[in-house]
Amino acid sequence: EAGVTQFPSHSVIEKGQTVTLRCDPISGHDNLYWYRRVMGKEIKFLLHFVKESKQDESGMPNNRFLAERTGGTYSTLKVQPAELEDSGVYFCASSQGTRSGRRYYGYTFGSGTRLTVV
Amino acid sequence: AQKITQTQPGMFVQEKEAVTLDCTYDTSDPSYGLFWYKQPSSGEMIFLIYQGSYDQQNATEGRYSLNFQKARKSANLVISASQLGDSAMYFCAMREATYSSASKIIFGSGTRLSIRP
Repeated sequence: EAGVTQFPSHSVIEKGQTVTLRCDPISGHDNLYWYRRVMGKEIKFLLHFVKESKQDESGMPNNRFLAERTGGTYSTLKVQPAELEDSGVYFCASSQGTRSGRRYYGYTFGSGTRLTVV
Repeated sequence: AQKITQTQPGMFVQEKEAVTLDCTYDTSDPSYGLFWYKQPSSGEMIFLIYQGSYDQQNATEGRYSLNFQKARKSANLVISASQLGDSAMYFCAMREATYSSASKIIFGSGTRLSIRP
């Protein structure tokens, strides 16, 4: 099966501009997550979609970040306007929504989008 | 609140030696899962191994094993017979609610492992 796809892989934008990151999860995965790693620090949770609904957006840093998942398939994360501190690597991950006994259904991560705001 | 601590920012190991990467965690939930991910220089996050809090045996996946000491709240990753390709960042992570694939996971700060030829 195809993995989690993110694009662009790299983006360099000027402060104040808008950038939209896209994530295509594994087909059939209801759960989609956004994480980011800023300036070599810890990987921080941003938000979690279950299908098209936001299950948990407690990690979104401020209202300059807007995530959508229309139709419950791919997701976009828009940063508007971008600030210097938004630079980092943005990861998307997906997982199945079902569980069966003790079986582990894990996350699959995309390769990330490296965002540089100058 | 959940917390993952990795106290080794960087490690150097000779090729073919075994290496242990430390991870301690804190949670009040009796049901949780622990993960290790590898991030090579290319940037992708690669799942290595998983341990559920109720699993009786330590998890193993090829050259990777997880030394799970529940009472100490530690989940160290052991890589046997290290290879040059093992050079990467390694992240320990945790998810509450062991058998739920829907819960978010939190990460430690990572350990950069460098293998010397």
